[in-house]
Amino acid sequence: DVKVTQSSRYLVKRTGEKVFLECVQDMDHENMFWYRQDPGLGLRLIYFSYDVKMKEKGDIPEGYSVSREKKERFSLILESASTNQTSMYLCASRKDNINSPLHFGNGTRLTVT
Amino acid sequence: AQSVTQPDIHITVSEGASLELRCNYSYGATPYLFWYVQSPGQGLQLLLKYFSGDTLVQGIKGFEAEFKRSQSSFNLRKPSVHLSDAAEYLCAVVTGGSYIPTFGRGTSLIVHP
Repeated sequence: DVKVTQSSRYLVKRTGEKVFLECVQDMDHENMFWYRQDPGLGLRLIYFSYDVKMKEKGDIPEGYSVSREKKERFSLILESASTNQTSMYLCASRKDNINSPLHFGNGTRLTVT
Repeated sequence: AQSVTQPDIHITVSEGASLELRCNYSYGATPYLFWYVQSPGQGLQLLLKYFSGDTLVQGIKGFEAEFKRSQSSFNLRKPSVHLSDAAEYLCAVVTGGSYIPTFGRGTSLIVHP
């Protein structure tokens, strides 16, 4: 079974802090994704990565950056956390095939105060 | 651009009743279609997917979905709902043009004993 592990289940950070959300997958998947999930808005794509060192902006990249130095790890970075970034963050991975499903981590609930 | 509509934000059913959750997509050609379920406090799990062949697909947990090209729909059904089916259900679309999954806003299923 594919396992996608997000390093923290809950995080509380202060406004202006730099925040790192880590995601690791163990199935050698090429594609990795970061979504945020908010009530009534569903999942919105922040960034995705086709492969190592490759990244593309999603629908809402403002205020975020990402890093993919190794195939198994995809990090989401909030350069200066703001209260409107309080949300549930979901990481997912997928084989590099359009009809492959996403495999999700359990999510990180981030609260910015 | 591809888009996905789940018109029902909440649905309430009684245990043992049948269920149909609606999903409509906007795209010219046949997309790749997915249904995911998110139980409270957990990540998303794939229920089923469709990309070609028989338009009625079977998934896990007793769910099925039917692709109807004429209605641009991929509705999820279950003949008899259990209490444990209470969860968030998300429909997703991937198209050849985009390659990136787009999610609907989700339908929250509430099951009464």
